[in-house]
Amino acid sequence: KAGVTQTPRYLIKTRGQQVTLSCSPISGHRSVSWYQQTPGQGLQFLFEYFSETQRNKGNFPGRFSGRQFSNSRSEMNVSTLELGDSALYLCASSLDPFTDTQYFGPGTRLTVL
Amino acid sequence: ELKVEQNPLFLSMQEGKNYTIYCNYSTTSDRLYWYRQDPGKSLESLFVLLSNGAVKQEGRLMASLDTKARLSTLHITAAVHDLSATYFCAVATYTGTASKLTFGTGTRLQVTL
Repeated sequence: KAGVTQTPRYLIKTRGQQVTLSCSPISGHRSVSWYQQTPGQGLQFLFEYFSETQRNKGNFPGRFSGRQFSNSRSEMNVSTLELGDSALYLCASSLDPFTDTQYFGPGTRLTVL
Repeated sequence: ELKVEQNPLFLSMQEGKNYTIYCNYSTTSDRLYWYRQDPGKSLESLFVLLSNGAVKQEGRLMASLDTKARLSTLHITAAVHDLSATYFCAVATYTGTASKLTFGTGTRLQVTL
């Protein structure tokens, strides 16, 4: 069974630009969660989607948004990029996070210059 | 707000030695995960602990959970170099239909010859 895939793997952007990251969950998984990992703040929860509905959102500004499609694929968007948005963005999928382990993708490393 | 603390943050140990990583969390939870992360890689699920007194073992790693003390431990027996990685505990919380993982700070384990 294929794992969680994320594209692109690496991105370099400049301040003020926007970026869209994509995540394809494990086949059959309907829940997708996003996390930001930085050396200073560690791993922080961004959002969780289930069946195209955002069920939970972390403490991030409105510049961070996301969505989930009917095939469970998810995208997250960051607008008006800031230097502090440089991070590894990890996507995780599960059948249902209430009962199942979240499996993580390889991540997208975003660098903002 | 849930806080998850791990200690130590960094652990250098010799091959063959035993050691324990501690994970304390501040509010009630019924589900705790341990993940491993190799440099530049994603998170690999090691264990999920579901109830008080739960103990799971895989190879040289053993995890346990004490929900009353809000403490989980990851014990390493007779360490080998291949165990060098960063280990995270993560506490699952559920609010209505919402779920998320709150991660500890991570413990960077370095096993030396």
